[in-house]
Amino acid sequence: GQNIDQPTEMTATEGAIVQINCTYQTSGFNGLFWYQQHAGEAPTFLSYNVLDGLEEKGRFSSFLSRSKGYSYLLLKELQMKDSASYLCAFGGAGGATNKLIFGTGTLLAVQP
Amino acid sequence: DGGITQSPKYLFRKEGQNVTLSCEQNLNHDAMYWYRQDPGQGLRLIYYSQIVNDFQKGDIAEGYSVSREKKESFPLTVTSAQKNPTAFYLCASKKARGPDTEAFFGQGTRLTVV
Repeated sequence: GQNIDQPTEMTATEGAIVQINCTYQTSGFNGLFWYQQHAGEAPTFLSYNVLDGLEEKGRFSSFLSRSKGYSYLLLKELQMKDSASYLCAFGGAGGATNKLIFGTGTLLAVQP
Repeated sequence: DGGITQSPKYLFRKEGQNVTLSCEQNLNHDAMYWYRQDPGQGLRLIYYSQIVNDFQKGDIAEGYSVSREKKESFPLTVTSAQKNPTAFYLCASKKARGPDTEAFFGQGTRLTVV
């Protein structure tokens, strides 16, 4: 079957580093996505990993291990505006190339 | 400018009525999606389409219907069979293949049953 898990909530301090984990199970895999969603708004794309390893984009980095079905999003130098929900998603779920399945999201609260 | 547009932004429906949510994209994307989001929850897949005139059910398709007569358009009908339709509905699109494979989202339609 298909399954994707993330922690429900996390709290971190402004200026710190936080790691948000995501584990998944699927019979078909075509990449792992991370999105940011502020309350009441549409998700916006952060990163995409299809090969194992770390992808870095400014303050945000994302890591993928396909053999372990595991990914994480790393946020550095946290700012108050980073308070949002972070969604991981995998593509190619169940062997369907374009089926895109999201996790429930991790609500990150950044405190002063 | 290219993008994906949902309308209306807010929609009120009486119980027993069908309503149709619009989703249009001019990004030349092959794949389009409809998701439902309830308060404090993630995105649940309702339907998706990989090409014109073809679509597949997602995890919560019951009470919903879609069509894909044009590449640019993927409307969602919430039927009276959907018992709890109040939610935030998001449409997305992406290229079917290639390095730029992230999905782009519309701004969403907030549906409320009154």
